[in-house]
Amino acid sequence: DAGVTQSPTHLIKTRGQHVTLRCSPISGHKSVSWYQQVLGQGPQFIFQYYEKEERGRGNFPDRFSARQFPNYSSELNVNALLLGDSALYLCASSLEPDLREKLFFGSGTQLSVL
Amino acid sequence: AQSVTQLGSHVSVSEGALVLLRCNYSSSVPPYLFWYVQYPNQGLQLLLKYTSAATLVKGINGFEAEFKKSETSFHLTKPSAHMSDAAEYFCAVSDRPGGYNKLIFGAGTRLAVHP
Repeated sequence: DAGVTQSPTHLIKTRGQHVTLRCSPISGHKSVSWYQQVLGQGPQFIFQYYEKEERGRGNFPDRFSARQFPNYSSELNVNALLLGDSALYLCASSLEPDLREKLFFGSGTQLSVL
Repeated sequence: AQSVTQLGSHVSVSEGALVLLRCNYSSSVPPYLFWYVQYPNQGLQLLLKYTSAATLVKGINGFEAEFKKSETSFHLTKPSAHMSDAAEYFCAVSDRPGGYNKLIFGAGTRLAVHP
């Protein structure tokens, strides 16, 4: 079975641009979460979506937005990119939205903002 | 607010030696606690989790961790290190396991295993 897939794997943008990151969850998983991992730090929670609705939001500015589609795939959008947005963006999926279910992570999208 | 502190950003052990990675947490309610491993250019993989059942939790690859409420600790151990254990390890806490799956991660500990 395919795991959580993310695209693209690497991305280079310049300050002020917009970026869209994509995530396909494991088949049958209805919950998708996004995390930002800055170099040298642990991942930080950005969003969780379940059944196409936002279930949780971390402490990130409104430049960050996300959505989930009927097939449960998800997009993370970041507007007006800043140098500090450079990070590994991780997507995770699970069957249900709570932590009694195992969370499966993708390999991430490495975003570099120049 | 919940937080996680991992003592030691880098730990180096010899192959066959005991692995001990330290994690202390703060939480206002009984937490769920997790250990994840991250290999280079890969996502996070769950090693084990504590969900208020047995305080000694066994995970994959021979790792285990013990929940000690009095010390607010959840240290990760493995009796004998293998070269393949070299990776970054993250401790995480959640105090809303029945709500949504927001995890609070520590800064990570990079484990090096030398021959």
